Amino acid sequence: ETGVTQSPTHLIKTRGQQVTLRCSSQSGHNTVSWYQQALGQGPQFIFQYYREEENGRGNFPPRFSGLQFPNYSSELNVNALELDDSALYLCASSLGLAGGGGNEQFFGPGTRLTVL
Amino acid sequence: GNSVTQMEGPVTLSEEAFLTINCTYTATGYPSLFWYVQYPGEGLQLLLKATKADDKGSNKGFEATYRKETTSFHLEKGSVQVSDSAVYFCALRGTGGFKTIFGAGTRLFVKA
Repeated sequence: ETGVTQSPTHLIKTRGQQVTLRCSSQSGHNTVSWYQQALGQGPQFIFQYYREEENGRGNFPPRFSGLQFPNYSSELNVNALELDDSALYLCASSLGLAGGGGNEQFFGPGTRLTVL
Repeated sequence: GNSVTQMEGPVTLSEEAFLTINCTYTATGYPSLFWYVQYPGEGLQLLLKATKADDKGSNKGFEATYRKETTSFHLEKGSVQVSDSAVYFCALRGTGGFKTIFGAGTRLFVKA
């Protein structure tokens, strides 16, 4: 059973560019959540996808968007990058909706995005 | 809204010392509570969890008890090791909620 994987590991972009981050969920998991972790802070929830539909979103602007594919892998897209978007982006997968109980989320190692 | 507050770090201890990292929360209803650990250069790992009041979560010598009366979920370990050096995050997920809310994290350094 493979765990959650993310690519790329590191990425450097310039302000105004667009970026796509990728996540492969743990085998059998149908829910993916994305988090942004700024340096020295706890992760902040961006959004969650369940069976290819977005079913929850945090306080992030529309330039943060995502997709989930039939194999439950996922992408996070960020348009018009800003300096404050520099952070570690974490993907987490779970079986079923990560809500209303102790459904465990398994986190990937993250993608470190630097915006210059 | 729901929130988590945990003690600021860094916390520096000698090997075999007793560890407490305080965590309090604000939430309506009965959230699920979690402690995650993040080792350098890695993602988050679930350390332990509790889903109802008075539950005790435990793993690898770490323990935390869900105290609804004090809205707390303090992390404890009786004897820390150098390998426990990491950042620890307290987190909650509300009843029927879809997102996990994290505290700011507490960095622990354990000296040999």
